[in-house]
Amino acid sequence: GQNIDQPTEMTATEGAIVQINCTYQTSGFNGLFWYQQHAGEAPTFLSYNVLDGLEEKGRFSSFLSRSKGYSYLLLKELQMKDSASYLCAVRPRSRGSTLGRLYFGRGTQLTVWP
Amino acid sequence: EADIYQTPRYLVIGTGKKITLECSQTMGHDKMYWYQQDPGMELHLIHYSYGVNSTEKGDLSSESTVSRIRTEHFPLTLESARPSHTSQYLCASSAPTGPSSYEQYFGPGTRLTVT
Repeated sequence: GQNIDQPTEMTATEGAIVQINCTYQTSGFNGLFWYQQHAGEAPTFLSYNVLDGLEEKGRFSSFLSRSKGYSYLLLKELQMKDSASYLCAVRPRSRGSTLGRLYFGRGTQLTVWP
Repeated sequence: EADIYQTPRYLVIGTGKKITLECSQTMGHDKMYWYQQDPGMELHLIHYSYGVNSTEKGDLSSESTVSRIRTEHFPLTLESARPSHTSQYLCASSAPTGPSSYEQYFGPGTRLTVT
């Protein structure tokens, strides 16, 4: 398997900025993904990084450093509805029948307070 | 919005029963996956498929089986349910090779309780 580490819990207040970190160790690398999962619901795709740098999508941005095995998800102008679990997932380089597999971290439970 | 469906959404069943969890997608995706997730824990891949008649076991040892007779349908079967099977089961699919192949679309999940 892959070694993916992210904090278990984080809290922040409405309107603030929060950064959720993710470190990984993989046998080859072919992309890192962030998913949002509200309690009792399915994960939904947020962002994808395959090259180093920052990808911005509205209030959410994701950064990747392949040499450091490190990524973060940045959430700006936090809203109550952002309270959810944020999952970091890595796609290692693979071929054949394993192509496309993702390995997920345990998720970071973010609570946004008013 | 992703077109991937799971039934039932909730199921409470007694030990020893045979059950089938249904998953269907209307996006024509070749790749489909079954994950198991306990509260506060990561998603564990239990089965996956890369196309019709192609299935593989995932990382988590599972007593379930799957089949892929049609592209859109990927059911998961437990021959004899046990309390240890109590969990959330999530089905996902992704597009074949190409720019969109990285994104997995998830169904709403089936919450299974075995008494």
